[in-house]
Amino acid sequence: DTGVSQDPRHKITKRGQNVTFRCDPISEHNRLYWYRQTLGQGPEFLTYFQNEAQLEKSRLLSDRFSAERPKGSFSTLEIQRTEQGDSAMYLCASSYSGTLVQETQYFGPGTRLLVL
Amino acid sequence: KQEVTQIPAALSVPEGENLVLNCSFTDSAIYNLQWFRQDPGKGLTSLLLIQSSQREQTSGRLNASLDKSSGRSTLYIAASQPGDSATYLCAVHLSTGTASKLTFGTGTRLQVTL
Repeated sequence: DTGVSQDPRHKITKRGQNVTFRCDPISEHNRLYWYRQTLGQGPEFLTYFQNEAQLEKSRLLSDRFSAERPKGSFSTLEIQRTEQGDSAMYLCASSYSGTLVQETQYFGPGTRLLVL
Repeated sequence: KQEVTQIPAALSVPEGENLVLNCSFTDSAIYNLQWFRQDPGKGLTSLLLIQSSQREQTSGRLNASLDKSSGRSTLYIAASQPGDSATYLCAVHLSTGTASKLTFGTGTRLQVTL
């Protein structure tokens, strides 16, 4: 297994367009997280899945954002009607549900979005 | 609300020096703390995870300590090398009920010069 993968690695779009990102977690991991990172800042939590269930969404995730994990494997994050403020690196992470104190999250390379 | 602060924001040291990066957090009710490395434009690489009941973890030239009661962690890098140049992020794990989410600091940007 080569770790968490994300596609595309870079996306340039015009304001108002819709974009969709994909994340493939480490195969045996049942938890999947999405984070957003803007320049010079640490990543911020957006949402997470346990298997196919989306169990928490941050208030950062406006109604223009939707995430799915239809079969408990890969996940997609869609942004509708993109705005310039959506420009950021979108990071996906996965983990295995051991005990909370031992949970290590493994990150993918990220998708860098630029909205013109 | 949990807040994580990292000091210094940037650091430049000559090759071979030992150095310490600092991380502080406001809420001591954490499950664990994780240190990451991030190269420019790249994702995050996990370096060390310290469980809340542990005081320190070591991996090669890296040693991370955790003092939950004072809300502090340090990452010690021994004999720094130019390849250590990167941004180092600390993150605390908070419970969301069934899983944990990470709250990150803003990072320390390290440059190791020849």
